Amino acid sequence: GAVVSQHPSRVICKSGTSVKIECRSLDFQATTMFWYRQFPKKSLMLMATSNEGSKATYEQGVEKDKFLINHASLTLSTLTVTSAHPEDSSFYICSAGAKDRGANTQYFGPGTRLTVL
Amino acid sequence: DQQVKQNSPSLSVQEGRISILNCDYTNSMFDYFLWYKKYPAEGPTFLISISSIKDKNEDGRFTVFLNKSAKHLSLHIVPSQPGDSAVYFCAASANDYKLSFGAGTTVTVRA
Repeated sequence: GAVVSQHPSRVICKSGTSVKIECRSLDFQATTMFWYRQFPKKSLMLMATSNEGSKATYEQGVEKDKFLINHASLTLSTLTVTSAHPEDSSFYICSAGAKDRGANTQYFGPGTRLTVL
Repeated sequence: DQQVKQNSPSLSVQEGRISILNCDYTNSMFDYFLWYKKYPAEGPTFLISISSIKDKNEDGRFTVFLNKSAKHLSLHIVPSQPGDSAVYFCAASANDYKLSFGAGTTVTVRA
């Protein structure tokens, strides 16, 4: 199967600090990576799509200056939550897709629980 | 605008019986459909997918059926096992890699 890792799995930070979350595809090269946010008992909400070496495409309503995405290589994408506030507390999940893996299947990381105090 | 809908928020089934999860979509451009399984505080795990050129895909205990004219797909799990208890998400894409997810159906398999 395709393995995607996320780090850290859990982070607690003070309001106003920035938090970086890493997403890595471990056994394949990810053409595209995605960042999702899940609220309690809700579906996954796509935040942005990133392709290696180019700027991320953000969904409507997602602040690009607050959620900085860098897709530096075919195996690594990072999401930085800048100046985090309590309302940013959520479960953040990344996924990775690759055409050579067949069609449009995305493989998800285990998620990162962010708590902003 | 919810383009993928899972109208049943929960499903309870006895171990050994069949679980049937339903999903409807509104976007006729969708051409690839997936089912994911998710446990609390974990990322979704890919289960099975189907292309719009097919009407059925089977993988072990999991079978997905697609009815394009009705814009409906379903996931059958048989026989259901206690480890199948989780939230199941239906997802669809229109060849641009972006997935639209349903709200999920929580399956509980009773012993």
